[in-house]
Amino acid sequence: GNSVTQMEGPVTLSEEAFLTINCTYTATGYPSLFWYVQYPGEGLQLLLKATKADDKGSNKGFEATYRKETTSFHLEKGSVQVSDSAVYFCARNTGFQKLVFGTGTRLLVSP
Amino acid sequence: GAGVSQSPSNKVTEKGKDVELRCDPISGHTALYWYRQSLGQGLEFLIYFQGNSAPDKSGLPSDRFSAERTGGSVSTLTIQRTQQEDSAVYLCASSLQGAEKLFFGSGTQLSVL
Repeated sequence: GNSVTQMEGPVTLSEEAFLTINCTYTATGYPSLFWYVQYPGEGLQLLLKATKADDKGSNKGFEATYRKETTSFHLEKGSVQVSDSAVYFCARNTGFQKLVFGTGTRLLVSP
Repeated sequence: GAGVSQSPSNKVTEKGKDVELRCDPISGHTALYWYRQSLGQGLEFLIYFQGNSAPDKSGLPSDRFSAERTGGSVSTLTIQRTQQEDSAVYLCASSLQGAEKLFFGSGTQLSVL
């Protein structure tokens, strides 16, 4: 089926630490892959996306590379800030124009 | 409007009552989605509209749930005879077309007592 699995949180880091949030997807078809972010009190918003194998999505210092061989789309950032504290959702689309989301990973960054 | 607007932001109801949740998408967005966010469950797809028609309503949990969209704009999600397990945040999203970039509202927190 079409599903997305991401690491459970919370992920707790100090400011300027390196961040990785793992995400894997079921290899059904050739999906586009996404990371959405939900800041406290706000709606989800698109952070970055990649539409085909080996593509790298990037935004606000975050990056994720579409790895077909490992069916993964891990989110990384070299130096996190307190303002990055949020819930991060990995997602894939299906052939029917909808997004399937992972369960979300809460990131807490302390000063 | 500037973004996706949902109302009410919070709704507390008694078990067995009917509730209506409203979504105002971004003007001009033809695609509209409803998701449900439960604690520890991530986002669960409910239904997708393209214009006024719903090509995919596979995520509606039971026949107590229904949704409609009129004028290619406002959508209403109706839950009849609410149950405690319906308690969740109901999210609406819209896009110009398809699922490449969704814009989400802030959601309706539904609590069924």
